[in-house]
Amino acid sequence: EVQLLESGGGLVQPGGSLRLSCEASGFTFSSYAMSWVRQAPGKGLEWVSAISTNGYSTYHADSVKGRFTISRDNSKNTLYLQMNSLRADDTAIYYCAKVDGYNWNPFDSWGQGTLVTVSS
Amino acid sequence: EIVMTQSPATLSVSPGERATLSCRASQSVSSKLAWYQQKPGQAPRLLIYGASTRATGIPARFSGGGSGTEFTLTISSLQSEDFALYYCQQYSNFYTFGQGTKLEIQ
Repeated sequence: EVQLLESGGGLVQPGGSLRLSCEASGFTFSSYAMSWVRQAPGKGLEWVSAISTNGYSTYHADSVKGRFTISRDNSKNTLYLQMNSLRADDTAIYYCAKVDGYNWNPFDSWGQGTLVTVSS
Repeated sequence: EIVMTQSPATLSVSPGERATLSCRASQSVSSKLAWYQQKPGQAPRLLIYGASTRATGIPARFSGGGSGTEFTLTISSLQSEDFALYYCQQYSNFYTFGQGTKLEIQ
């Protein structure tokens, strides 16, 4: 059974940093692209970042480009999202999502999410 | 960026009836269109991919159609557990989601 467990969320002040982790199990992590998707309170889904199977190719939405960095450690079956220069509009539940194969395919499994709150 | 527009924002339907949700892309995405269901407090779940292929374990009452820029999700004979939020997503050019349709009990 595929399991994705996010951690690292919390309350952070504007301008601060946070690193999210997503520990994967139940599948061969290194064979699948991964993404982060966020959902602001009461709002819809927004794709944030994507990474290739080997981690060499990364992509970010314009809203986070230059501030967020996606990475992965295939030896630890873990996906990361480094978030810097956080703003109030980054407040959201952050989900990690397993891609059905390589990038630019649908998300066939999701974690339960971790809440990030940016506030002073 | 490809913009996805869903309609209606809210759909009120009685249990046992059929519901049809729509999704429009600002440019052609071919058949690279997925539908997700999200219930309160839960993560989204993949229902349909490739515009019309049901994901593993999804009941046959869920069906998807369309290609290019116009897509539909049809739920025949609504069950109580089907009342939820539904999102479409294009994966032709990066990823973008529609704003969602809330399916509520009439």
